[in-house]
Amino acid sequence: QQQVKQSPQSLIVQKGGISIINCAYENTAFDYFPWYQQFPGKGPALLIAIRPDVSEKKEGRFTISFNKSAKQFSLHIMDSQPGDSATYFCAASDDRGSTLGRLYFGRGTQLTVWP
Amino acid sequence: NAGVTQTPKFQVLKTGQSMTLQCAQDMNHEYMSWYRQDPGMGLRLIHYSVGAGITDQGEVPNGYNVSRSTTEDFPLRLLSAAPSQTSVYFCASSYSADSNYGYTFGSGTRLTVV
Repeated sequence: QQQVKQSPQSLIVQKGGISIINCAYENTAFDYFPWYQQFPGKGPALLIAIRPDVSEKKEGRFTISFNKSAKQFSLHIMDSQPGDSATYFCAASDDRGSTLGRLYFGRGTQLTVWP
Repeated sequence: NAGVTQTPKFQVLKTGQSMTLQCAQDMNHEYMSWYRQDPGMGLRLIHYSVGAGITDQGEVPNGYNVSRSTTEDFPLRLLSAAPSQTSVYFCASSYSADSNYGYTFGSGTRLTVV
């Protein structure tokens, strides 16, 4: 059973455009929602994260929007650049429950930004 | 400060062989974990450890063993390699098991089982 569902699988955006990646979850115990960025041949790296007590978090060109009632969250990349071309993973975990230590990942979105 | 070091970077095994994937971190992180990454499947948790001497199973633990005798090292053992274990394996660590601190990933081990 997939804990976190991510879409789209791939995304092509022109330079300067907005990239949007969506994720959905079912487990209402999840209380931490990070996004990781992975370049080819490298391990994933933490990009930005949010907790459900806020609806939006912004760091530079990257914004997480969180909808607790819909159990959905999304990553927005403003002014997308060719250097943003990478695979993006959303994830979720429950820090206070029996699954402490388990971070569940979506299947990833391969973003390509054309110059 | 090397971060998370994984060895080897590449490995080819024959079906039935055993091997150990090494993972070491020099950040004094309590939490360590192993993931496998397969095309279109994302990252799936194999085993994790919240501290030395403590390990637990993740989503896909079958065919793998782990132990954590020191804070620094968290090796992953493949007992009898199968083609289904062909994957890229990532080790990750964090200051603690809760999510106040992000994970630091190694650069991965690409394993092929023939």
